[in-house]
Amino acid sequence: QKEVEQNSGPLSVPEGAIASLNCTYSDRGSQSFFWYRQYSGKSPELIMFIYSNGDKEDGRFTAQLNKASQYVSLLIRDSQPSDSATYLCAVNADSSYKLIFGSGTRLLVRP
Amino acid sequence: KAGVTQTPRYLIKTRGQQVTLSCSPISGHRSVSWYQQTPGQGLQFLFEYFSETQRNKGNFPGRFSGRQFSNSRSEMNVSTLELGDSALYLCASGDTGGTEAFFGQGTRLTVV
Repeated sequence: QKEVEQNSGPLSVPEGAIASLNCTYSDRGSQSFFWYRQYSGKSPELIMFIYSNGDKEDGRFTAQLNKASQYVSLLIRDSQPSDSATYLCAVNADSSYKLIFGSGTRLLVRP
Repeated sequence: KAGVTQTPRYLIKTRGQQVTLSCSPISGHRSVSWYQQTPGQGLQFLFEYFSETQRNKGNFPGRFSGRQFSNSRSEMNVSTLELGDSALYLCASGDTGGTEAFFGQGTRLTVV
């Protein structure tokens, strides 16, 4: 079993819709959870991190964490074609930066 | 505020050679971690340095090594290169709280 699992996609949504990206993790000791966006040929770009159960909102993005279910998600509201990218979920077990990444979900936003 | 700087951006090396990659973190960040990204294995953690000390290490052979200098700049070295070492090597700069990890543009290494 992989430590961090994501559906590889592609997840296809129409412009203006809500895109929902999901991630599960196996280590119950995981403390911080990160979402990165990676465009083809580029390096990952940090969207947001979350460490407490519940929701965290930043603009069109909302991260949701449920530690009991070992589940973290990212919602993108009003999806734009420019949001088309691979979204990477990462977790770490402490305050270090040993991030364990999922394989990423490819998102396609149709105009 | 300057971002994370990796040099060089592209490298072509021959099997058996060695290579050194450099990463300059964001000013004030003391953590530098290194990752290897390949289409087949995704993003894999190599090691992390914090205040000149290796704090964590991933599951890579001893051919992969690194160090960090007093100004927080870090270098990664790969000796006896193999074809399978062809990858995008990324470094991430982090603050002390484990909450911000920003990646550099990466070094694309091709081993022929």
